[in-house]
Amino acid sequence: NAGVMQNPRHLVRRRGQEARLRCSPMKGHSHVYWYRQLPEEGLKFMVYLQKENIIDESGMPKERFSAEFPKEGPSILRIQQVVRGDSAAYFCASSPQSIQETQYFGPGTRLLVL
Amino acid sequence: KQEVTQIPAALSVPEGENLVLNCSFTDSAIYNLQWFRQDPGKGLTSLLLIQSSQREQTSGRLNASLDKSSGRSTLYIAASQPGDSATYLCAVRYSSGSARQLTFGSGTQLTVLP
Repeated sequence: NAGVMQNPRHLVRRRGQEARLRCSPMKGHSHVYWYRQLPEEGLKFMVYLQKENIIDESGMPKERFSAEFPKEGPSILRIQQVVRGDSAAYFCASSPQSIQETQYFGPGTRLLVL
Repeated sequence: KQEVTQIPAALSVPEGENLVLNCSFTDSAIYNLQWFRQDPGKGLTSLLLIQSSQREQTSGRLNASLDKSSGRSTLYIAASQPGDSATYLCAVRYSSGSARQLTFGSGTQLTVLP
């Protein structure tokens, strides 16, 4: 059973460009979470999705950020018009149905905005 | 505000020593608490998951305890090895608010000296 997959692992963008981060959850997992780790800071929750539904986006900036988890394919975190402050590691996690279950984390995408 | 605090922020010990990492949380209404390990530039590896009804969990040289009433958890590492050097993160799933997200501490950076 492959783990949580994220790509790309590293992404470099210039200010104003768009960044697309992909996450494929573990097989059988229907819940996906995105977290951001800014330099020298802890992980902060951004958004929680199930297939075709955003359940909780309370941690996501109101502008420029969006997330989706379509019926088919990976979950996508999109950042429009990136700024230098968006430079961070973005981690995706997945879990099965039960709330008692562990969240399994992917290796992360490290975004650098020049 | 639901927070997680980890003390100390950094710890350096000689090989072979037993050590304790501390985690405190502000609200006793939790589903579970999880300890992770993060190596530099890498993702998170789940070490131990303690459900709210449990007092401790053990895996090899690791033992994690949970005291909900005092809002504390400890991670005990026995006979430390240089390979244990990493950042250890404590994460709590609070049962109020969005019941799915993890709230992370800022981590303890452990260095085990050979």
